Amino acid sequence: EAEVAQSPRYKITEKSQAVAFWCDPISGHATLYWYRQILGQGPELLVQFQDESVVDDSQLPKDRFSAERLKGVDSTLKIQPAELGDSAMYLCASSPRDISYEQYFGPGTRLTVT
Amino acid sequence: KNQVEQSPQSLIILEGKNCTLQCNYTVSPFSNLRWYKQDTGRGPVSLTIMTFSENTKSNGRYTATLDADTKQSSLHITASQLSDSASYICVFLRGNYQLIWGAGTKLIIKP
Repeated sequence: EAEVAQSPRYKITEKSQAVAFWCDPISGHATLYWYRQILGQGPELLVQFQDESVVDDSQLPKDRFSAERLKGVDSTLKIQPAELGDSAMYLCASSPRDISYEQYFGPGTRLTVT
Repeated sequence: KNQVEQSPQSLIILEGKNCTLQCNYTVSPFSNLRWYKQDTGRGPVSLTIMTFSENTKSNGRYTATLDADTKQSSLHITASQLSDSASYICVFLRGNYQLIWGAGTKLIIKP
């Protein structure tokens, strides 16, 4: 069964350092999402791509976060510089074109900023 | 304001027992409601999906209900198993892609 792949699974970094996460969606899925989930809360959408274009990045802290999906397949989310409050689970999800409610999630990257 | 509140925040039950998790909402209108199961350190996995016009949907030992009058949804788990220990999150879809998430209920099943 096809799955969304994410790496790394765990990342520990010091504040002010740069960190990057990678996501490979299910093959053929046009839409890709990055979420941030703080412990004990539901996921918060950071950015949504349709193919290589950003559809929604209204909740992305653009002073330090950036995301790209250059070829409309895999995607990278970067934080520079990392802050203590960025410690969270970063989830990637993908869905088929025009079926946004059918989101399939990856295992997530657990980020700890020290 | 479109909000989703889940209760209880956490719940501990013995293996084999039944339980019901609640989701109160003010989201309006919405297209569908989905319940997710999220194991610790993993991404959410869909359990059930219901349109706004449906009242109940089952998936094995999981049964979701939707009451539009009281603006409540519930997830009932029958004959709980140790593997049911996880967080359960209700999510509403507004428009084409806006998802409104609850904070989840953390369920612990004890042997």
